[in-house]
Amino acid sequence: EAGVTQFPSHSVIEKGQTVTLRCDPISGHDNLYWYRRVMGKEIKFLLHFVKESKQDESGMPNNRFLAERTGGTYSTLKVQPAELEDSGVYFCASSLSHTNRYGYTFGSGTRLTVV
Amino acid sequence: SQQGEEDPQALSIQEGENATMNCSYKTSINNLQWYRQNSGRGLVHLILIRSNEREKHSGRLRVTLDTSKKSSSLLITASRAADTASYFCATAYSGGGADGLTFGKGTHLIIQP
Repeated sequence: EAGVTQFPSHSVIEKGQTVTLRCDPISGHDNLYWYRRVMGKEIKFLLHFVKESKQDESGMPNNRFLAERTGGTYSTLKVQPAELEDSGVYFCASSLSHTNRYGYTFGSGTRLTVV
Repeated sequence: SQQGEEDPQALSIQEGENATMNCSYKTSINNLQWYRQNSGRGLVHLILIRSNEREKHSGRLRVTLDTSKKSSSLLITASRAADTASYFCATAYSGGGADGLTFGKGTHLIIQP
């Protein structure tokens, strides 16, 4: 089966611009998660979708970040306007069930650089 | 210290040797997971151990969990050059709150051929 796909793999934008990241989960996976890792820090949870609903968005850093999952398939994460501290790697993960025993399948990530 | 904190931060060993990485955490957990990340790639799930389990094996991997000490260890036996990667532990919190996993900063493992 195809894994979790993220694109773009890299994005370089200027401060103040808008960037939209996309994640295609494994087909049939209702649960979709966004994480990010800023330079030198831990990988941090951002939010969790169950189908098209936001189950938990407690990790979203501020209102410049907007995540959507229309139709419960792919998800987008928009940063508007981007700031320098938003630079990092954004990972998406999906799973069949939230409390699964097999862990989550992660994508390769989008490396975002804000200059 | 951070939840899901690994040590050492970096480890370099010879091919064929065993590699041991440790992870400590602070809260009550549902399960603890180990992931591997090769350079520039995504996180790959290695193994999950539940809070009521003490040890688990998968191929050359052995994971232990000590909930009384809030710690876990990952042992890779007979290491290979392909095991060179960063290894992260991640905990799933059991007390409600955020749905996400809490990751540590990772251990960077280098296997010298």
